[in-house]
This record gives sequence, structure tokens and C-alpha cells, in this order.
Amino acid sequence: NAGVTQTPKFQVLKTGQSMTLQCAQDMNHNSMYWYRQDPGMGLRLIYYSASEGTTDKGEVPNGYNVSRLNKREFSLRLESAAPSQTSVYFCASSGGTGFDEQYFGPGTRLTVT
Amino acid sequence: AQSVTQPDIHITVSEGASLELRCNYSYGATPYLFWYVQSPGQGLQLLLKYFSGDTLVQGIKGFEAEFKRSQSSFNLRKPSVHWSDAAEYFCAVGAWYGGSQGNLIFGKGTKLSVKP
Repeated sequence: NAGVTQTPKFQVLKTGQSMTLQCAQDMNHNSMYWYRQDPGMGLRLIYYSASEGTTDKGEVPNGYNVSRLNKREFSLRLESAAPSQTSVYFCASSGGTGFDEQYFGPGTRLTVT
Repeated sequence: AQSVTQPDIHITVSEGASLELRCNYSYGATPYLFWYVQSPGQGLQLLLKYFSGDTLVQGIKGFEAEFKRSQSSFNLRKPSVHWSDAAEYFCAVGAWYGGSQGNLIFGKGTKLSVKP
């Protein structure tokens, strides 16, 4: 079992460019999440998907879109990257709700110049 | 609104010494409380959680936490710290943003350094 995998591990974008962060889990989990982690800010929820076919906004959704492609995969898209989106992005999954144990991927470090 | 405060940004302890990391929460009802750990360059891992019942909760890696409603606290403890415990520790509270399910609000984290 690979658990939660994320690609890419590192990315540098110029302001205005777009990109998609990919996430996949092999634990047959229903719920998946995207967080961003900034120094001194902890983790903040961007979007989540409680089940295949559904997505909901979290605490900081502006500037992002998500797609729950199937039960395994949950992608995060930045349509027009801004320097304020420089961060480390983590994908996570859980079997049930967000109150169940969440399993985290290794993260994607994104820099927007 | 729910919130979590971790008053200590950085703590240094000697190997073998005891550890207590502080967490205070704001929540109207009985909260769902969690501690996660993040080793350098990795994602987070659940240490323990409290939903109800016994206020002293045991977790993995020898950690425990005590829920004190009167103090709105959920402090993490370990009797003897090992060098491998050096990491960042996050307290979290269950919250409802709206939408289809509850999720977590994380504190800003406490970085633990361990001296040999």
C-alpha cells in the first residue's frame, strides 16, 4: 500500500500560470482533503470531498478549484497562480468524516514568483 | 467560532526529560480534539484523539493527553522524550464549516527540539 501519493513534489510557477496538483489514495477512503501549510499558520483546509462526486469549500478556497475524479483521485487546480499561493500543499484522506483519522501525503512545495 | 491556540511556538527539552505541550480550544459544546505530529519533510500523523469518556487519552509512541473542560485545554504529555520525538506537533478541534461533513481546525503548531 502506497497510502496517499502526491505529484509533483516541487513546483515553481510564474504569476498567472496554471497548474494541477494530483493526489491519489489506495485505502478505499470516502473522504479526501486539500490543505495548505504556511509558516506559523498551521494547516488550513482549502477544499474537501466527502464522497465521490461531491466537493465542498473549506476555510480558504479562494483561487482554487478541485475535482474528485473518482474514489481514488482528488486534484487541486490553480487557474492563475499568485505569490500568495506559495505554500506547501498536503492532500489527505479518511475513511469517514474529517473527525476520523486522516492520512496525509508527503506534500507539494509550490513557489510562485 | 471554533478555534485552537498553541501558546508555545518552540520548545526545547533534554532527551529523557518529561514533555508537556499546551493546547487551548474554543468551542461551545463538547469538542472533538486531536493531536497530530509532523516529522521534518513529511505529512501529519495522528497521535491521539478525544471524543468523549475518559478524559485521559493514550496515543501512539508513548504520548497521552488530558482533556480539562474547566480549563478548555487538551495538553499533550510524554514522561520521557526520545531524540526521535523532535518534530512539529499540531492540536486540532473538530468543526463544521457548513457543507456535508465536519472537519478539523488546526492550531499553529509547536516545534519540539530535543537536546542530547
